[in-house]
Amino acid sequence: IAGITQAPTSQILAAGRRMTLRCTQDMRHNAMYWYRQDLGLGLRLIHYSNTAGTTGKGEVPDGYSVSRANTDDFPLTLASAVPSQTSVYFCASSPRMEDTQYFGPGTRLTVL
Amino acid sequence: AQSVTQPDIHITVSEGASLELRCNYSYGATPYLFWYVQSPGQGLQLLLKYFSGDTLVQGIKGFEAEFKRSQSSFNLRKPSVHWSDAAEYFCAVGVYTGGFKTIFGAGTRLFVKA
Repeated sequence: IAGITQAPTSQILAAGRRMTLRCTQDMRHNAMYWYRQDLGLGLRLIHYSNTAGTTGKGEVPDGYSVSRANTDDFPLTLASAVPSQTSVYFCASSPRMEDTQYFGPGTRLTVL
Repeated sequence: AQSVTQPDIHITVSEGASLELRCNYSYGATPYLFWYVQSPGQGLQLLLKYFSGDTLVQGIKGFEAEFKRSQSSFNLRKPSVHWSDAAEYFCAVGVYTGGFKTIFGAGTRLFVKA
C-alpha cells in the first residue's frame, strides 16, 4: 500500500441498507477526514479525526458515523442509507490538521 | 462566518494562453491557503500552499499563486496552459475556529481548447 486507499471503488445500494466505506493510509498521518463531493457544492466535510481515538463532526455529519481505532484506518458508516447520500466520497489524511491533505481515489456511492 | 469563494464555475482558455483562477476568502486573520487540482475520476492533489513569508508561491506543474492580504485573495496563475491542465481546481483555506478546519471552495472547472 502506498498513500491512501479507499474501498469499494463504487457501490450501488438499496435505501435502508447499512454500508461501510473503508479508508486506509500508510503514511502514519495523525489527521484523517471524510468528504462528500456533489456537483456545484465542492467538498463538504462529514467527519474528521485529529488523532487515533478521537473524532469530530464536520459540516454534514447527519446519517454518518466514523471510528478511529488506530492510526491507519478511518471507516465511514451509513447506518441506513437514503438517496440523498448518493455522492462521491473522498477520504483524506494529513500529518496535522494544518498540513496538506492527501486524498484517496474516492468511492462513488449510489443509493436507490 | 468564514467562507471561500471561487467566482468562476468554469473557464475556457486556449492552449498556450495564460490562466488566472480567482479565489477570495472571508476570515479575520491570515489563513492557511491551498490550491488543489482534481483530474477526472481522481482525488485531489496539492498544487501549492501558503502559510507565511513570500506572498508569491510556486507550485507544481508551472502554477503559481499570489496572496494579497488587502484583497483577501489567493489567485492561481499559469503563464501558458497545456491541454493536460484541463481539470477542476479547488481553493481551500485553513482557519482556527474552535479548532482548526479547512474550508474548500466550490471549484472552478478548466476547459482547454486546441
